Amino acid sequence: SQKIEQNSEALNIQEGKTATLTCNYTNYSPAYLQWYRQDPGRGPVFLLLIRENEKEKRKERLKVTFDTTLKQSLFHITASQPADSATYLCALEGGDMRFGAGTRLTVKP
Amino acid sequence: EPEVTQTPSHQVTQMGQEVILRCVPISNHLYFYWYRQILGQKVEFLVSFYNNEISEKSEIFDDQFSVERPDGSNFTLKIRSTKLEDSAMYFCASILGQGAADTQYFGPGTRLTVL
Repeated sequence: SQKIEQNSEALNIQEGKTATLTCNYTNYSPAYLQWYRQDPGRGPVFLLLIRENEKEKRKERLKVTFDTTLKQSLFHITASQPADSATYLCALEGGDMRFGAGTRLTVKP
Repeated sequence: EPEVTQTPSHQVTQMGQEVILRCVPISNHLYFYWYRQILGQKVEFLVSFYNNEISEKSEIFDDQFSVERPDGSNFTLKIRSTKLEDSAMYFCASILGQGAADTQYFGPGTRLTVL
């Protein structure tokens, strides 16, 4: 069956460090993968999309990689700030949009 | 900036009652979606809608659920006979057009509580 797994439920890091979140998937051949941010009680907010033929995508302090051989995407936030604290979701398109369970990131000052 | 809106923000209902959740997608968008998120769990796809018909639906979207675009702006999700396990946040989303580069815009959600 199709699965999307995000490496950990929670990640705590110190302000200024780089946060790295992992998304692994099985039994998918997605044309693209997306990352979203979700704050408590709010809807997901789109951050980045990376296509299957792209290895890396950047947007300001965010970087996403996509390895279709490993079936894995890494999401990096550099120079992290307390305002980056949120749950980050990866999502795959495979006819419909399926989300991972998310990783709750806490950036401590 | 245009946004997806949803009403009500919170709906409380008795088990067995019908509820209608309303969404106004971004005006020039063509594809519409409903998702739900049970408290503490992941966002789950329910249904996608294009050109006045359902494009895809998940196993969650059974005969108790229906969607409608009654006019040019609203997109509704109806649950015919609510169950306790329908309690969740329901998110509407829309995209401009189908394609790998399209961003999905989510509404703020409706919290449904079934008693």
